[in-house]
Amino acid sequence: DAEITQSPRHKITETGRQVTLACHQTWNHNNMFWYRQDLGHGLRLIHYSYGVQDTNKGEVSDGYSVSRSNTEDLPLTLESAASSQTSVYFCASSEGTENTEAFFGQGTRLTVV
Amino acid sequence: AQSVTQLGSHVSVSEGALVLLRCNYSSSVPPYLFWYVQYPNQGLQLLLKYTTGATLVKGINGFEAEFKKSETSFHLTKPSAHMSDAAEYFCAVSGPLSGGSYIPTFGRGTSLIVHP
Repeated sequence: DAEITQSPRHKITETGRQVTLACHQTWNHNNMFWYRQDLGHGLRLIHYSYGVQDTNKGEVSDGYSVSRSNTEDLPLTLESAASSQTSVYFCASSEGTENTEAFFGQGTRLTVV
Repeated sequence: AQSVTQLGSHVSVSEGALVLLRCNYSSSVPPYLFWYVQYPNQGLQLLLKYTTGATLVKGINGFEAEFKKSETSFHLTKPSAHMSDAAEYFCAVSGPLSGGSYIPTFGRGTSLIVHP
């Protein structure tokens, strides 16, 4: 079965370190997204991609970057981790048409100390 | 731009009671609306979706939602709550961005608490 997987599931890092969260999907979807989930804010879009070599900023992109070198992967990098980036991160993918839903990974819980 | 507002961050019901989770949307074009459920320590999964056609949409686990254009609403209901329904529920709208692709925008979520 097709799936979308995130790794690691849990990560503790120190302020100022660079951190990369992995996301891999086998749906062959063109669209991929990164969201962060925080109490009281729901899911907020960090970055999204329509396809290989395409990336776009979402509403909370400061301090994050992504790259898309193939269809399957969209790694999320925190350039210099800050305590405000402690959150649960979700990767998702979709076909990108109007009537198709997004498929989500299990999430990565990141703690910045 | 599209957006959704979920009324009530927490809803508490007794087992067997009606579940009603509210969602209102804002969209400048015909909306595509979704409800997702998130169980503890898991990702989101689709409950149901409205695209076009019938305004009453049936989903998994006995949930359904009705699209009401006049009220810009897409409320989620279930006639009889079960303990296993306790979870976080998200309403989402999918809107076109540049390039013609669609991206979901989520509400803040409603936590459903079910009491025995």
